[in-house]
Amino acid sequence: QKEVEQNSGPLSVPEGAIASLNCTYSDRGSQSFFWYRQYSGKSPELIMSIYSNGDKEDGRFTAQLNKASQYVSLLIRDSQPSDSATYLCAVTHPYSSASKIIFGSGTRLSIRP
Amino acid sequence: KAGVTQTPRYLIKTRGQQVTLSCSPISGHRSVSWYQQTPGQGLQFLFEYFSETQRNKGNFPGRFSGRQFSNSRSEMNVSTLELGDSALYLCASSLGRGNYEQYFGPGTRLTVT
Repeated sequence: QKEVEQNSGPLSVPEGAIASLNCTYSDRGSQSFFWYRQYSGKSPELIMSIYSNGDKEDGRFTAQLNKASQYVSLLIRDSQPSDSATYLCAVTHPYSSASKIIFGSGTRLSIRP
Repeated sequence: KAGVTQTPRYLIKTRGQQVTLSCSPISGHRSVSWYQQTPGQGLQFLFEYFSETQRNKGNFPGRFSGRQFSNSRSEMNVSTLELGDSALYLCASSLGRGNYEQYFGPGTRLTVT
């Protein structure tokens, strides 16, 4: 079982709709969770971090964390073509220093006009 | 504030050679992590340095090594290059003390022929 799992996609969403990206993780001790966006040929860009159960909103982005179910999700409202990218979920590793971060393989999101 | 910088941006090496990559973190960030990204394996953690000490290490052979200097700049070295080492090498910096939000540099694209 992978430590951090994401559906590879592609996830195709019409412009203006809500895109929902999901991620599950295997280790209950993980404490910090991140979402990165990576455009083709570019490096990952941090867009959200979340540390406690519940929702965290930042503009059109909402991160949701459920530690009991070991999943974290990212919602993108009013999806724009510029949101088309690969979204990486990242989780701190619980059994070593929390500074070790494990990345999922990413979900490719495509926003269709 | 300047972002993470990496040099060189592109490298072409021959099998058996060695290579050194450099990373300058965001000012004030003391933690530098290195990742290898390939289409097949995704983003793989190599190692992390904090205050000139290696704090975490991923599952890579000993041919991959790194170091960090007193100004937090970091280098990674790959000896006896193999064709499979062709990848995008990314470095990311973070504050490192309780804050693990990582910010990535543009990466070094290494091609081994």
